[in-house]
Amino acid sequence: GAGVSQSPRYKVAKRGQDVALRCDPISGHVSLFWYQQALGQGPEFLTYFQNEAQLDKSGLPSDRFFAERPEGSVSTLKIQRTQQEDSAVYLCASSLPGAYSNQPQHFGDGTRLSIL
Amino acid sequence: SQQGEEDPQALSIQEGENATMNCSYKTSINNLQWYRQNSGRGLVHLILIRSNEREKHSGRLRVTLDTSKKSSSLLITASRAADTASYFCAPQAAGNKLTFGGGTRVLVKP
Repeated sequence: GAGVSQSPRYKVAKRGQDVALRCDPISGHVSLFWYQQALGQGPEFLTYFQNEAQLDKSGLPSDRFFAERPEGSVSTLKIQRTQQEDSAVYLCASSLPGAYSNQPQHFGDGTRLSIL
Repeated sequence: SQQGEEDPQALSIQEGENATMNCSYKTSINNLQWYRQNSGRGLVHLILIRSNEREKHSGRLRVTLDTSKKSSSLLITASRAADTASYFCAPQAAGNKLTFGGGTRVLVKP
């Protein structure tokens, strides 16, 4: 079976441009997460969806960051007016829902975003 | 914060040796998860240990959890060059998000 798929794998944009990053979760996975990983650091939580509902967006660093999952499957993370500090790897993960959240998360290989 | 903090930050061992890394956290948890990340790739789930469990095994991996000390350890036995990666712990409290520390970078030399 297919794992979590992210596209593009690499994205280079000029400062000030808007970018859109896509995540295809594992089929049937209700929960979807976005993380940001700076070089040499651990992933940092950005936002969480259960189906199409965005239940937690506490990690989004600014109002330039926006995520959606309109039909409860594919998700898009959009960054407007990109800045150099947005350069990072953006990871998507999906999981089944579980009692007390006792489910592993399955990660894609990420999108490496470089802002020039 | 429930963020896990791994120790050591880096570890270099010879193939065949055991590798041990530790994780500390600060708040009550439902479970603690360990993940591996190879360079340029996403994270791969290794083991999930629930708060009422003390030890768990999976192949060459052994995880312990001491909730009274708010700490966990990951032991990799008989390491192989393919075990070279970064290892992250992620304590999980109520809710679904995981909070990762900076990881332990393990280098297994052939």
